[in-house]
Amino acid sequence: SAVISQKPSRDICQRGTSLTIQCQVDSQVTMMFWYRQQPGQSLTLIATANQGSEATYESGFVIDKFPISRPNLTFSTLTVSNMSPEDSSIYLCSVEDLAGGNNEQFFGPGTRLTVL
Amino acid sequence: GQQLNQSPQSMFIQEGEDVSMNCTSSSIFNTWLWYKQEPGEGPVLLIALYKAGELTSNGRLTAQFGITRKDSFLNISASIPSDVGIYFCAGSYISNFGNEKLTFGTGTRLTIIP
Repeated sequence: SAVISQKPSRDICQRGTSLTIQCQVDSQVTMMFWYRQQPGQSLTLIATANQGSEATYESGFVIDKFPISRPNLTFSTLTVSNMSPEDSSIYLCSVEDLAGGNNEQFFGPGTRLTVL
Repeated sequence: GQQLNQSPQSMFIQEGEDVSMNCTSSSIFNTWLWYKQEPGEGPVLLIALYKAGELTSNGRLTAQFGITRKDSFLNISASIPSDVGIYFCAGSYISNFGNEKLTFGTGTRLTIIP
C-alpha cells in the first residue's frame, strides 16, 4: 500500500490564525481525501482533493474555511483558516489505492491541531 | 446520508478472550472496511470485504459482509495486549458526483485487562 506522510504532526495555534497541513504520498494516486476527527469522535470527510480542479466539499464544509490544493498526483494541502478552538481536531489525509483493483483507502498519521 | 451504527461502544476484556463487534446500517454499501486506530496514529486497514456474504480472515481477525450489504461483524480471537485500540467500520458508497466515498462507524474502544 501507499506510504503517506503528513506535516506537521501536531501544532498549537492561536485563534484567528491559519495552518496549512501537507500530505505527501510515495506513489501517484488518483483520489486523495481530507478527514477531520474531533476529540473522541469518528472520522468525518471534509472534501475530496481533485487533481487539476477544485476540491469537492461535503455538507457543512466550505472552501473559504478549508481551502485545499492538489497540484499533482502525490501531494495535497489542507488549510484551516481563521481558526477557533472548535477547530481543535486531528486532520487526516487518505488515498485510494486502486493498484489491487479494489477501492481501499489508506490513511496518513494525522495532524493533531490544538487552537487556543 | 449514510449512517453506520457500531456496537459496542467500548469493551473491557481479559487477555486471551475472544472479541466481537458489529456495524449495522439502513443503507446498502458496496464495500465494508475495518480499521484499527491507536493513539497518535491514523487508522490502519485490517480487512476489506467486497461481496455480500463474504467471510474473510486476517490472522486472528475474521470479518463478514452481511448478505443484505447492510451490516458486518469483526471477530478477534485470543486477544493480546497489542489489540488495544479503537476499531472503526467503514462502508463505501457511490456519491452524487460518481466517485466512491467512505462513511465511518462510531468506533469500538477495546481495552485488554492483563
